[in-house]
Amino acid sequence: DTGVSQDPRHKITKRGQNVTFRCDPISEHNRLYWYRQTLGQGPEFLTYFQNEAQLEKSRLLSDRFSAERPKGSFSTLEIQRTEQGDSAMYLCASSPLDQELTYEQYFGPGTRLTVT
Amino acid sequence: DQQVKQNSPSLSVQEGRISILNCDYTNSMFDYFLWYKKYPAEGPTFLISISSIKDKNEDGRFTVFLNKSAKHLSLHIVPSQPGDSAVYFCAAGNNNDMRFGAGTRLTVKP
Repeated sequence: DTGVSQDPRHKITKRGQNVTFRCDPISEHNRLYWYRQTLGQGPEFLTYFQNEAQLEKSRLLSDRFSAERPKGSFSTLEIQRTEQGDSAMYLCASSPLDQELTYEQYFGPGTRLTVT
Repeated sequence: DQQVKQNSPSLSVQEGRISILNCDYTNSMFDYFLWYKKYPAEGPTFLISISSIKDKNEDGRFTVFLNKSAKHLSLHIVPSQPGDSAVYFCAAGNNNDMRFGAGTRLTVKP
């Protein structure tokens, strides 16, 4: 399967714990995005990488959130001191650098986080 | 700030008829618009897009219409098929800033 993969698919954690999610984009896709989706809403942009450089961060990305893409391939999203409001589906997407004809982003299946 | 709105949370149509999903946006700086389809337990899948310089784009059974003066976007599916039943998200963007609507759940009845 050469699509975007995310790990884990589900994570249940207690409030105050740290969690880390991984995203493996489609090979050779330079751009990588993280989104958060809550029930009844569409995906909300969190952050964007072009290769290893984090070029944009949403104001939704509080200082408890950090994302990395150290080698320009896979990316990790870490949430420190989780709160119940962090419970959501975290989606990763990727696109090639020249994908401007359709602006399509290819999404992974998401990681569902539940904070108890 | 909801810059992209899908005011109908659900839509039900008969197989073979036309499905029309609507989307409104507020930011006149958006220069591209997309529709995504989402099945349960999967990420959104790209369906069709349109740039702000066009008013129509067609791909098989799917047609997207853009009315910039009204800041309105619509997706037409004809003929609708039961396999089209899913949640449809409208998205609009400028550079890498893409905003999504809340989605419309389409049910196509056999």
